[in-house]
Amino acid sequence: EPEVTQTPSHQVTQMGQEVILRCVPISNHLYFYWYRQILGQKVEFLVSFYNNEISEKSEIFDDQFSVERPDGSNFTLKIRSTKLEDSAMYFCASRGGLGGKNIQYFGAGTRLSVL
Amino acid sequence: SQQGEEDPQALSIQEGENATMNCSYKTSINNLQWYRQNSGRGLVHLILIRSNEREKHSGRLRVTLDTSKKSSSLLITASRAADTASYFCATEMTTDSWGKLQFGAGTQVVVTP
Repeated sequence: EPEVTQTPSHQVTQMGQEVILRCVPISNHLYFYWYRQILGQKVEFLVSFYNNEISEKSEIFDDQFSVERPDGSNFTLKIRSTKLEDSAMYFCASRGGLGGKNIQYFGAGTRLSVL
Repeated sequence: SQQGEEDPQALSIQEGENATMNCSYKTSINNLQWYRQNSGRGLVHLILIRSNEREKHSGRLRVTLDTSKKSSSLLITASRAADTASYFCATEMTTDSWGKLQFGAGTQVVVTP
């Protein structure tokens, strides 16, 4: 079964550093998402991406965050200057279309630890 | 405002018993989905139920949806130790054009042999 792949599985960084989290969505999917889950809390939506642009973003997704689809396969989330509170599990998801049976498939996540 | 809320927050049962967890939401939805998460791992999609459906089955899973009460339930029958995980409901709202999901806080299920 096709799957969403995320790398790295665990990223440790110093506060103030830039990090890039990488995702390879399912190949024929058109809609891409990033979510995060702070330890012990619910999964929160960050951003959705379609047709090479952001379609929606949450309040969490401020100027420190950006997303990019640099080629036909990768989808990245960049945090420019990490803060301690950015420590969380970050999930990438993709779906083939909207509505109906088009479910979101999630990657295994990248655990970001900001020290 | 929080969209999906599960209860109970935690559930401990013996192998072979059934596990039931509930999810309530606040606004109109296109569909409601249930995901499973093993400790510290990714989200695995279990089942999707559309707003015009009332019940769906998948293996040992049974999901119901009551749009008048804005609630859903997930039943796991004949539970196994391997069912130990956190279970989340996630809703896709009708007002949302881009398909984002809003997750509840989850129910942590522990199945003891």
